[in-house]
Amino acid sequence: EVQLVESGGGLVQPGRSLRLSCTASGFTFGDYAMSWFRQAPGKGLEWVGFIRSKAYGGTTEYAASVKGRFTISRDDSKSIAYLQMNSLKTEDTAVYYCTRAAGAESRVDYWGQGTLVTVSS
Amino acid sequence: DIQMTQSPSSLSASVGDRVTITCRASQGISNYLAWFQQKPGKAPKSLIYAASSLQSGVPSKFSGSGSGTDFTLTISSLQPEDFATYYCQQYNSYPVTFGGGTKVEIK
Repeated sequence: EVQLVESGGGLVQPGRSLRLSCTASGFTFGDYAMSWFRQAPGKGLEWVGFIRSKAYGGTTEYAASVKGRFTISRDDSKSIAYLQMNSLKTEDTAVYYCTRAAGAESRVDYWGQGTLVTVSS
Repeated sequence: DIQMTQSPSSLSASVGDRVTITCRASQGISNYLAWFQQKPGKAPKSLIYAASSLQSGVPSKFSGSGSGTDFTLTISSLQPEDFATYYCQQYNSYPVTFGGGTKVEIK
């Protein structure tokens, strides 16, 4: 059974950093790309970024709203994807979800349960 | 960026009704269109990818169609567990973008 478990969320002050982790199980993690999405309270879904599998270079893509502040990485030996968030702003407050991206076109198939990040002084 | 426009933004329907939600892309996305279901306080669930392919384990009452810029999600016979918010998403190009969501409520 595919499982994705996010951790690392919490309350953080504006300008500070936070690192989220997504621990995967039930599949060969290194074979898949991984994506991060977020959802601000009462709002819709927003794509944050994406990391390809090593077979496709392990490269990343980011939304304009987080580019230069957020970094996605992966540790295939531990089956963990990371979202490093720096220079956090109040508008980054959201539930953050990690997802598995399947197929050559990297479509989302499985979602984690999400972790809440609150940016507030 | 590709804009995704969903309609309606909300609808009221009865158990057993056939429901259709539409999604329009601001430019052609071939069939790189997915649909997700989200219930309050829960993570989204993947329903459909490639416009019309059902994710594993998703019941056949859900169906999708379309290509290019116009897409639909149909629920053939609405059941109590189907009351939720539905989102379309294009993954043809970055940034990946979503429609604003359609909230399906009980009439």
